[in-house]
Amino acid sequence: GQNIDQPTEMTATEGAIVQINCTYQTSGFNGLFWYQQHAGEAPTFLSYNVLDGLEEKGRFSSFLSRSKGYSYLLLKELQMKDSASYLCAVRDVDNAGKSTFGDGTTLTVKP
Amino acid sequence: IAGITQAPTSQILAAGRRMTLRCTQDMRHNAMYWYRQDLGLGLRLIHYSNTAGTTGKGEVPDGYSVSRANTDDFPLTLASAVPSQTSVYFCASSDRGDTDTQYFGPGTRLTVL
Repeated sequence: GQNIDQPTEMTATEGAIVQINCTYQTSGFNGLFWYQQHAGEAPTFLSYNVLDGLEEKGRFSSFLSRSKGYSYLLLKELQMKDSASYLCAVRDVDNAGKSTFGDGTTLTVKP
Repeated sequence: IAGITQAPTSQILAAGRRMTLRCTQDMRHNAMYWYRQDLGLGLRLIHYSNTAGTTGKGEVPDGYSVSRANTDDFPLTLASAVPSQTSVYFCASSDRGDTDTQYFGPGTRLTVL
């Protein structure tokens, strides 16, 4: 089975940097996703990591350490529109295309 | 516009009634998924399909059934709805490429009374 842990809520200030952590315990590893979900909307893809290290994409970066079962999503130059839930998801190893999602971290950006 | 559509957008249903949630994608993705999302929680997989003609059970399949007659459509049926099935339902698809990135429909908000 898979167990994924994220903080439930975080608050940060506009213009600041915030790091959202995700730890996982899985039987095997095949990749990790971050999705963004605004209130009342569908999740949208942000990033994918399968190898250790940092992947940078504009203001968003995602880091993975497979040996530690750990990932984080780093958001720089926070904007009010970044207020959303951020879902960490681990790709299942059974090659059925499935992923297991964490409960998400609700980020509130304040002026 | 390419993507995934779901219908209805929202529905209030009496307990015991049968209901089918519709999902259609035009991206020619092989795989499709149904999730439910309850308040404050993440997505839980109900059923999935890797290709037309095949389906599989996810984490919470009881009370739900699916079919995959063709690539584009993946309906979810509640045979006899119960209040615990009140939730937001998301359909998703992926192309089964290198990463299995999933693309989500807008969701159906279902209330069972």
